[in-house]
Amino acid sequence: KQEVTQIPAALSVPEGENLVLNCSFTDSAIYNLQWFRQDPGKGLTSLLLIQSSQREQTSGRLNASLDKSSGRSTLYIAASQPGDSATYLCAASLIKAAGNKLTFGGGTRVLVKP
Amino acid sequence: ETGVTQTPRHLVMGMTNKKSLKCEQHLGHNAMYWYKQSAKKPLELMFVYSLEERVENNSVPSRFSPECPNSSHLFLHLHTLQPEDSALYLCASSQVRAGGSEQFFGPGTRLTVL
Repeated sequence: KQEVTQIPAALSVPEGENLVLNCSFTDSAIYNLQWFRQDPGKGLTSLLLIQSSQREQTSGRLNASLDKSSGRSTLYIAASQPGDSATYLCAASLIKAAGNKLTFGGGTRVLVKP
Repeated sequence: ETGVTQTPRHLVMGMTNKKSLKCEQHLGHNAMYWYKQSAKKPLELMFVYSLEERVENNSVPSRFSPECPNSSHLFLHLHTLQPEDSALYLCASSQVRAGGSEQFFGPGTRLTVL
């Protein structure tokens, strides 16, 4: 059974500092790994999708890396801003799972202090 | 807002009530999902519909009954719920294909069972 873990559960940084968020998964037979942002009480916003054949994906200040052999993905957010405060979730899509279903980590709650 | 809408956004119901949650996707996708998000627990997949057929029922109690009348609409019928069913219910959609795909989420329905 695929298990996805995110450590730490919470992170607080001063504005301007780079953020490093970690995600690990136990089954490397994945289609892709997706990073989401969730604001309190809201739905999930997709940030980046990395296909299993890719090593990294970039969008603006966000960069996500994927190392299937070690079962890890890392989301980097450069020059953090107070508006980056949210919970960040990673999710893996298993090849053998029906309907491309996702298995989620518990999330990392980020606070960027002005 | 994304191309996935959910109604109602908030719902309060008693344990003997019957209610339904609605989800609609405007993205032309062929798969839809129901997730449950409880406090301090990872997102839990409840149901997956692919090409309007249920392909996964993740051991969900029968008091939750999904319905997918077409590829754009998904319902979750609720009856005789328990207070522990109070949670944020999220709907998502994707285009299922061999190489995996990105999932897009709605804003969620915040359910409170009294």
